[in-house]
Amino acid sequence: EVQLVDSGGGLVRPGRSLRLSCAASGFTFNDYAMHWVRQVPGKGLEWVSGISWNSGTIAYADSVKGRFTISRDNARNSLYLQMNSLRAEDTALYYCAKDITLTGEYFFDSWGQGTLVTVSS
Amino acid sequence: DIQMTQSPSTLSASIRDRVTITCRASQSISRWLAWYQQKPGKAPKLLIYKATTLERGVPSRFSGSGSGTEFTLTINSLQPDDFATYYCQQYKSSPWTFGLGTKVDIK
Repeated sequence: EVQLVDSGGGLVRPGRSLRLSCAASGFTFNDYAMHWVRQVPGKGLEWVSGISWNSGTIAYADSVKGRFTISRDNARNSLYLQMNSLRAEDTALYYCAKDITLTGEYFFDSWGQGTLVTVSS
Repeated sequence: DIQMTQSPSTLSASIRDRVTITCRASQSISRWLAWYQQKPGKAPKLLIYKATTLERGVPSRFSGSGSGTEFTLTINSLQPDDFATYYCQQYKSSPWTFGLGTKVDIK
């Protein structure tokens, strides 16, 4: 059974940094592209970033480009999101999500439980 | 960016009703559309991709149709487990965008 466990969220002041992690199990992690998708509580979904199986292709939403960095460690079956220069508008529940292909079809067949990031002074 | 517009935003229905949700894209996305179901406090769940293909394990009362800019999600014979919020998502071009959701609640 596919399992994605998100962690690393918390309360952080504007301008500071946070690193999210996603631990994957139940599937061959390095056979799939992976993504981060966020959701402001009670609101809609926003794709944040995606990374191909070998980290050869990486993409970001314009809203986070230059501030967030996605990475993966296939040996550890883990996905990461380094978030720098955080802003109040980054406050959301962040989900790790699995793609259906190596390079990315950009829809998501499994999701983590989410980790809440709150940016506030 | 491709804008995805869902209607209605809220839909009240009864058990065994047939429910239809519409999703419109601001430009043609061919059939590159997915539908998700989300229940309160839970992550979204993939229901349908490529506009009409049912994800494994999803009940056959769910179906999708459409191409180009207009798409529908239909739930035949609504069940208690189906009360949730439904999102469409285009994956034709980056950034991959979602609709704002349609909440299906009990009439």
